[in-house]
Amino acid sequence: SQKIEQNSEALNIQEGKTATLTCNYTNYSPAYLQWYRQDPGRGPVFLLLIRENEKEKRKERLKVTFDTTLKQSLFHITASQPADSATYLCALDLGNTGNQFYFGTGTSLTVIP
Amino acid sequence: DTGVSQNPRHKITKRGQNVTFRCDPISEHNRLYWYRQTLGQGPEFLTYFQNEAQLEKSRLLSDRFSAERPKGSFSTLEIQRTEQGDSAMYLCASSLSGGNRGGYTFGSGTRLTVV
Repeated sequence: SQKIEQNSEALNIQEGKTATLTCNYTNYSPAYLQWYRQDPGRGPVFLLLIRENEKEKRKERLKVTFDTTLKQSLFHITASQPADSATYLCALDLGNTGNQFYFGTGTSLTVIP
Repeated sequence: DTGVSQNPRHKITKRGQNVTFRCDPISEHNRLYWYRQTLGQGPEFLTYFQNEAQLEKSRLLSDRFSAERPKGSFSTLEIQRTEQGDSAMYLCASSLSGGNRGGYTFGSGTRLTVV
């Protein structure tokens, strides 16, 4: 069956450093991979989408990579700020259905001032 | 546009009771999704609509769960004969067709507690 794994432990980093979160998957060949941010008690907020034929995508301080050979995506936040503290979720779709997404369990990030 | 709206925000119910949640998507979005999320887990797909048609339903969704989207606008999710295992955050999201290219817009969810 399909499986999506994200950093199993919470990630604590110092303000100003780069945070790197991982998303690994098995038994998938997703056409798209997305990253979301979720704050406590709120719904996820869409951040970035990357297609299977794209190696890297950037948006402001965010960068996502997608390695379909390794079946892995990396999510980077550069120059991290305390306001970046949240849970980050990766989500994959099969690309050939009607938009059914599978989410990972998320990684909790805390940026320490 | 005020985004995706879900009501109520919180619901506490006794085991065995029926509950109904409502979702108002972004008006121009034709796709609507329901997800369920428990503490420490990612959202789990339940079902999705394109306009008023329910096109997919997860095997996780027991017969006690039913969703509707009359007229392709708002949607309701009903849980009959609630069980303690139904306690979770129920999230609604919407998108345009091909929305996997741009991501979903989620509501803030309805937190259900079954006592």
